[in-house]
Amino acid sequence: EIVMTQSPATLSVSPGERATLSCRASQSVSSNLAWYQQKPGQAPRLLIYETSTRATGIPARFSGSGSGTEFTLTISSLQSEDVAVYYCQQYNNWPPWTFGQGTKVEIK
Amino acid sequence: EVQLVETGGGLIRPGGSLRLSCAVSGFNVSSNYMTWVRQAPGKGLEWVSVFYVGGSTYYADSVKGRFTISKDNSKNILYLHMNSLRAEDTAVYYCARVEWDAFDFWGQGTMVSVSS
Repeated sequence: EIVMTQSPATLSVSPGERATLSCRASQSVSSNLAWYQQKPGQAPRLLIYETSTRATGIPARFSGSGSGTEFTLTISSLQSEDVAVYYCQQYNNWPPWTFGQGTKVEIK
Repeated sequence: EVQLVETGGGLIRPGGSLRLSCAVSGFNVSSNYMTWVRQAPGKGLEWVSVFYVGGSTYYADSVKGRFTISKDNSKNILYLHMNSLRAEDTAVYYCARVEWDAFDFWGQGTMVSVSS
């Protein structure tokens, strides 16, 4: 099973500033990585798949990069509505699909 | 418009059984892979099970032998049959569609609490 590790656990960013979230896989997942956003009390929402492709309706301020074992989700200009927990997920070797433990993004 | 609506959660005693349903609109479960994901209170996401278009099913080790995923294509509903429930199965259970091997549409979830 591939273990996904996210850092930091919590990220405090001022409005309009850049937020950078990291995700590391215990072995290569090629580009088969997705990011999800989960706001309080809501279901997760797919943000990005295949490392860098935004899902339908996702604002351009969200971008993904990386390959192999190291991945990054960047929010270029943090908005108040971006407060959420963000999860990475690998789908290179399934089952099982595995998620990171999440990064909580809050407003500084 | 795509919608997934889970029902069937509740409070159940350890060792009991429960069936969750996921009613789908906006696409056909018969032509899509479908999956269940759960989230224990205050915890992260855990994949539970998947139903492939061809009929193959897979399970997380934590639920293998106790949970069964199934579909009713005529009703466009996905199910999760849960037996021998344990306290550690307490979670919100989400159904989701699998697209590009990621999970692109999710339901709002249904809470399952296992407690005596």
